[in-house]
Amino acid sequence: GAVVSQHPSRVICKSGTSVKIECRSLDFQATTMFWYRQFPKQSLMLMATSNEGSKATYEQGVEKDKFLINHASLTLSTLTVTSAHPEDSSFYICSATRTGGYYGTGELFFGEGSRLTVL
Amino acid sequence: TQLLEQSPQFLSIQEGENLTVYCNSSSVFSSLQWYRQEPGEGPVLLVTVVTGGEVKKLKRLTFQFGDARKDSSLHITAAQPGDTGLYLCAGAPHFGGNTGKLIFGQGTTLQVKP
Repeated sequence: GAVVSQHPSRVICKSGTSVKIECRSLDFQATTMFWYRQFPKQSLMLMATSNEGSKATYEQGVEKDKFLINHASLTLSTLTVTSAHPEDSSFYICSATRTGGYYGTGELFFGEGSRLTVL
Repeated sequence: TQLLEQSPQFLSIQEGENLTVYCNSSSVFSSLQWYRQEPGEGPVLLVTVVTGGEVKKLKRLTFQFGDARKDSSLHITAAQPGDTGLYLCAGAPHFGGNTGKLIFGQGTTLQVKP
């Protein structure tokens, strides 16, 4: 099956610093990737849609200057949490959808997630 | 805005019991996926249902897509401790093209006690 890899899986940083999380599709090209935030025992909250070669589309209420997204290639999207604060501590997950293939099934392949802790 | 109402949100049962998780919406979906997520990991796709009335089985798990493609259910027979996890339903909106953007239910945290 398709594999999406996220790195790092865990990161601890000091308040005020920036943290970059990478999301890679390992065996397929992904023109679109998605970034989610998840709180304990809750569902996924979509933050933004990352489009290769263009600006990301952010969901309402998500600060684009706070959560910088770059999708420079068909296999890599990055999420940078800038000037992180303790309230940014969370589990961040990316997902990717295949280009081509059966149109309409909407299947997503998820990364392993990244646990961010801001001290 | 399309919504998927998932219930129950929390479920704690004994090993061997059966359970059903529901996802309901007033909107039509092109397809609906069920994912299972363990703590500290990303969700893993269990099944995709596409056709109204479709039933798919995965060992002790039975997935059903409503005839009108507005709802779905997951039934687990003889639950085992290994079934413990967060179950998520997610629908692909019928209108709006194949963007890959899914509508997620609130999730069901299942705990199966030995």
